[in-house]
Amino acid sequence: EAQVTQNPRYLITVTGKKLTVTCSQNMNHEYMSWYRQDPGLGLRQIYYSMNVEVTDKGDVPEGYKVSRKEKRNFPLILESPSPNQTSLYFCASSFGGSGTEAFFGQGTRLTVV
Amino acid sequence: AQRVTQPEKLLSVFKGAPVELKCNYSYSGSPELFWYVQYSRQRLQLLLRHISRESIKGFTADLNKGETSFHLKKPFAQEEDSAMYYCAPILTGGGNKLTFGTGTQLKVEL
Repeated sequence: EAQVTQNPRYLITVTGKKLTVTCSQNMNHEYMSWYRQDPGLGLRQIYYSMNVEVTDKGDVPEGYKVSRKEKRNFPLILESPSPNQTSLYFCASSFGGSGTEAFFGQGTRLTVV
Repeated sequence: AQRVTQPEKLLSVFKGAPVELKCNYSYSGSPELFWYVQYSRQRLQLLLRHISRESIKGFTADLNKGETSFHLKKPFAQEEDSAMYYCAPILTGGGNKLTFGTGTQLKVEL
């Protein structure tokens, strides 16, 4: 089944403890991205990647890192999480280029205390 | 600046009533426009795209370049339409960067 898989689904952590949220897609998509969803703010893009070893900042990249060593994986790294990073995170992938559909993961609900 | 606006955070209608979810965009180029939907406890999924000129689940959306709008419409709302709806333009040549509006929560009441 074609899909985007994120892990974990839920995570509660403490301020400053490094964490990684994984994202994997099995559709051979070039383009992958991370979003955070907050009430009243909608979905905001954190980082995106147009292909292996090519990443760029989205609209709200502060406090996050990403890597794209393999086409299928695009992990989101929080080196030192803070409470303002408590949010619902979505990974998405697509073939890239205009007009192509983005496929989303099921979301990761992160709480930083 | 490129911007997409969904003015209504919450839209509540009765079953069988018409629905219009508003979306306005301000882009210097020619964006491709999409509507994505998120049902309760499910992942975001594509509802429709303007280039397809299709009707999905009874929803249609017309791109009005003069008004820079891409409103989503359905003549008769159903209970199962209750969800969060996001308008999302992609600027052509922008590397498929999806920019989402703030979303409109549609609630269809019996």
